[in-house]
Amino acid sequence: DAKTTQPPSMDCAEGRAANLPCNHSTISGNEYVYWYRQIHSQGPQYIIHGLKNNETNEMASLIITEDRKSSTLILPHATLRDTAVYYCILPSVGAQKLVFGQGTRLTINP
Amino acid sequence: GAVVSQHPSRVICKSGTSVKIECRSLDFQATTMFWYRQFPKKSLMLMATSNEGSKATYEQGVEKDKFLINHASLTLSTLTVTSAHPEDSSFYICSARPTGIGETQYFGPGTRLLVL
Repeated sequence: DAKTTQPPSMDCAEGRAANLPCNHSTISGNEYVYWYRQIHSQGPQYIIHGLKNNETNEMASLIITEDRKSSTLILPHATLRDTAVYYCILPSVGAQKLVFGQGTRLTINP
Repeated sequence: GAVVSQHPSRVICKSGTSVKIECRSLDFQATTMFWYRQFPKKSLMLMATSNEGSKATYEQGVEKDKFLINHASLTLSTLTVTSAHPEDSSFYICSARPTGIGETQYFGPGTRLLVL
């Protein structure tokens, strides 16, 4: 799996947009960018994934730079329930495995 | 959709006993399921990849005779921790990948094991 780099922690005010960055400068052409999050004492939750184009779903938006070397997960209106560890992962096609790094611990403050 | 369940959610056992954890995909079929372990304040660590109808593939350093995995159907995989010891106490999480649909994995809620 290509290596990803994320800041260890971030804070965001409730109601504001939370922008979580991820660097993946060694990404290969066929690797997707996946985002998961883990709320304390729960299993990880799938958020979104993308290859080249920006993606949006009911949970978040994913912005991928044109050179695909970095991406940003955007939670448009963060709530207290969005406090979690967010993981940016690039699973190798065919390898099937997800390798979890340390992620970003996002704290939403009232 | 894409719901994965685990049973039990938490278990306490005596040292030397075996514990079985079930992982079920409730609304989809999963040829491949995965088992992870997570220690406090640490990230998830992949233990093994479970394929329906064949032997599991274990990650380096994971003892296959201690962590027995069975994937007998397209909706059920089990992890048995044999002869459990206190150091096996951990949070065990499974995930399932819907058959034939990309790389997205959906995770169960986890099972907290405490070995006394």
